[in-house]
Amino acid sequence: GQQLNQSPQSMFIQEGEDVSMNCTSSSIFNTWLWYKQDPGEGPVLLIALYKAGELTSNGRLTAQFGITRKDSFLNISASIPSDVGIYFCAGQTAGGTSYGKLTFGQGTILTVHP
Amino acid sequence: DGGITQSPKYLFRKEGQNVTLSCEQNLNHDAMYWYRQDPGQGLRLIYYSQIVNDFQKGDIAEGYSVSREKKESFPLTVTSAQKNPTAFYLCASTSGGRKYFGPGTRLTVT
Repeated sequence: GQQLNQSPQSMFIQEGEDVSMNCTSSSIFNTWLWYKQDPGEGPVLLIALYKAGELTSNGRLTAQFGITRKDSFLNISASIPSDVGIYFCAGQTAGGTSYGKLTFGQGTILTVHP
Repeated sequence: DGGITQSPKYLFRKEGQNVTLSCEQNLNHDAMYWYRQDPGQGLRLIYYSQIVNDFQKGDIAEGYSVSREKKESFPLTVTSAQKNPTAFYLCASTSGGRKYFGPGTRLTVT
């Protein structure tokens, strides 16, 4: 089956630092999604990417859809304490029986020290 | 106020009992999903439904059952056949390639 490798597994940074995390896949995806999850809550969609090479920003967050369609990265600039949480990447293949089925990365746990 | 609601937030059951988790959405989304999340892990797909009265097994469907009698509702039953039911359960729906999640239900079976 499809596999997504997300790295790093965890990050401990100082407030104000930039953060970068990425996901790589053994399969091609046609959509990449990035989520943030706070403890005990459902994941919240941060950014959706639909085309190879696409670069999309949402405030201090920037994500890119890799040219090979097998990878994606998420950058957070000038981190603040409320950025703490678990970040998940998710990839989605096109149509058929895989419609709407997402493959999730293992998550990156982000800790920001004031 | 639109969105996905799951109830209850916390659920406790004795081993051997079936339990049903509620998921409702007023987003008019056709497709709905159930995921399971275990500590330190990503989300795993249990069941999904693309339209009313139709649903398919996901990657870990054993020990679970669902129904989709109404577009806005997709309840999940955790049966006594599920060997390790204690987990955080997330319901989701999809629109335009974007998947939105509910707040989750934490089920503890003792």
